[in-house]
Amino acid sequence: SQQGEEDPQALSIQEGENATMNCSYKTSINNLQWYRQNSGRGLVHLILIRSNEREKHSGRLRVTLDTSKKSSSLLITASRAADTASYFCATDPAGGDKLIFGTGTRLQVFP
Amino acid sequence: GAGVSQSPSNKVTEKGKDVELRCDPISGHTALYWYRQSLGQGLEFLIYFQGNSAPDKSGLPSDRFSAERTGGSVSTLTIQRTQQEDSAVYLCASSFRGPGNTIYFGEGSWLTVV
Repeated sequence: SQQGEEDPQALSIQEGENATMNCSYKTSINNLQWYRQNSGRGLVHLILIRSNEREKHSGRLRVTLDTSKKSSSLLITASRAADTASYFCATDPAGGDKLIFGTGTRLQVFP
Repeated sequence: GAGVSQSPSNKVTEKGKDVELRCDPISGHTALYWYRQSLGQGLEFLIYFQGNSAPDKSGLPSDRFSAERTGGSVSTLTIQRTQQEDSAVYLCASSFRGPGNTIYFGEGSWLTVV
């Protein structure tokens, strides 16, 4: 079963704008990761945030984690057309042994 | 190789035939995952191998699906008596030790059952 639900399901913005995607999950976690997928093929890891962290940055990416609300957000600043892809959150449930992926957000960035 | 390698990249098979999908993980990675993704959908967990432990098969959708991992390295996912609903991209991933670490995906095997 899906652990993570993401919203919005789809997001369209202009280049230069910021894109925010949200992920909600159901159980306690050890960490949460964000992945990117181009054209329905392999996923690429973007960033990992541990349960004792609240915010993490990597280049134009900013991830927040609120364990009390069981939610995370991914912010892409100053978006580019090349950011067009699907973005997935994945949780490592406490006591579990595998990553569980959310349903994904399809981001379209128009030049 | 440098990354996770999957073969075949694409497979078209007739309904009722058996198929085998292969995954060659990154050398030294003890954890190996199989996921399935239908068109436009999220990733559905299938099976997880970790070292010499018994695999977690809780995601396999039916007894037509099986997977093995030989020598702690290469894995084969077998689908027997394929059905049209089995059409999807099958993604393999590996990591060092487990889900607390970054997992690396292969490019997937796109299966079409006609």
